[in-house]
Amino acid sequence: GENVEQHPSTLSVQEGDSAVIKCTYSDSASNYFPWYKQELGKGPQLIIDIRSNVGEKKDQRIAVTLNKTAKHFSLHITETQPEDSAVYFCAASSNFNKFYFGSGTKLNVKP
Amino acid sequence: GAVVSQHPSWVICKSGTSVKIECRSLDFQATTMFWYRQFPKQSLMLMATSNEGSKATYEQGVEKDKFLINHASLTLSTLTVTSAHPEDSSFYICSATMGGNEKLFFGSGTQLSVL
Repeated sequence: GENVEQHPSTLSVQEGDSAVIKCTYSDSASNYFPWYKQELGKGPQLIIDIRSNVGEKKDQRIAVTLNKTAKHFSLHITETQPEDSAVYFCAASSNFNKFYFGSGTKLNVKP
Repeated sequence: GAVVSQHPSWVICKSGTSVKIECRSLDFQATTMFWYRQFPKQSLMLMATSNEGSKATYEQGVEKDKFLINHASLTLSTLTVTSAHPEDSSFYICSATMGGNEKLFFGSGTQLSVL
């Protein structure tokens, strides 16, 4: 089955700096890669996603890049704000089937 | 995005009792719903996948007789934790996808505490 690894497990940045979270996957059949933000005591919220036929996608301060050859994808958050502090999960999926999640990254944005 | 409603948000029960958690897709038809369990500071562990009108598919190690899943309609799935014990205390989260769309949307989660 698919194995998704996520790094780092914790990340502290100063407000205004950029944050990068990286994930790797093992199954070349995976073709959909979403990112979720989870705040304490709440369910994960989809913040951005990318399909395997695209190398990069951007939505305001958030961007995701995908390298199919290397089987890794990354989340980039620019101009971080304290409200960006949360746990972020990457995931990989193949054709709407199971979603495999990374272990999570706790992002702390210091004011 | 699509809205998935999960209730209750938290529940406290006595050991040996059963607890039902509801998951509803409010503005779309969910052909597939997933149930996850999450321990503190850990990732989401898939428990089972349910498709409307058919039996749920459970992940290895998940007791189907203990975690009863019903997906009776395209907008509702329920998870019943039967004869709950303290070790069942956890954060349970449902999620749903709509046909032909790979996006996965999550409910707000249910914190279960078994005394």
